[in-house]
Amino acid sequence: DSGVTQTPKHLITATGQRVTLRCSPRSGDLSVYWYQQSLDQGLQFLIQYYNGEERAKGNILERFSAQQFPDLHSELNLSSLELGDSALYFCASRRGMGTGDTGELFFGEGSRLTVL
Amino acid sequence: LAKTTQPISMDSYEGQEVNITCSHNNIATNDYITWYQQFPSQGPRFIIQGYKTKVTNEVASLFIPADRKSSTLSLPRVSLSDTAVYYCLVGEGGNTGFQKLVFGTGTRLLVSP
Repeated sequence: DSGVTQTPKHLITATGQRVTLRCSPRSGDLSVYWYQQSLDQGLQFLIQYYNGEERAKGNILERFSAQQFPDLHSELNLSSLELGDSALYFCASRRGMGTGDTGELFFGEGSRLTVL
Repeated sequence: LAKTTQPISMDSYEGQEVNITCSHNNIATNDYITWYQQFPSQGPRFIIQGYKTKVTNEVASLFIPADRKSSTLSLPRVSLSDTAVYYCLVGEGGNTGFQKLVFGTGTRLLVSP
């Protein structure tokens, strides 16, 4: 158990719909990362937050957005869903910066999104 | 960002040592090298991290030559349960570091009896 919690574990929806994926980082971790992994593909970096602020952006589509709340949990919003958005979405957390931060990412078990 | 290149796949047998090499020719001074392991439908798990020379922990060793343009993950005496995808990451460390951590395509290791 990494200490990172993602909900829901599975989600089936239709094209054109909108979904929200939630991530609770490990206790004390300030930084949250989101990754997308399509079937038999590598991990695509989407976005990173640190203590509520966006810090880095990867290949995140304009239809996707994310935020990190004051309690440090994060949500990834996916809208106008397409068939190609079907994937495993992983959240990872790390301590952040300074003391105790080794740069190690702790991943949740992922949210499997299926768009029909 | 330093781009990483790894072999797509490797095969081994139980009990053998496996070495997976990652190339990162444009690694920057502040970059650290980290390796992760991923099983199907699970999130990646940290294996080992290093900056230079050799690092060893209870599961693996990481060899980094002086020019740091490549690194080798060494798994001693692999077992069937080591069958997984192994990712090499290069990311800037330090007080403002480890942002935009981009995973490469990974190496799919298959261990056979």
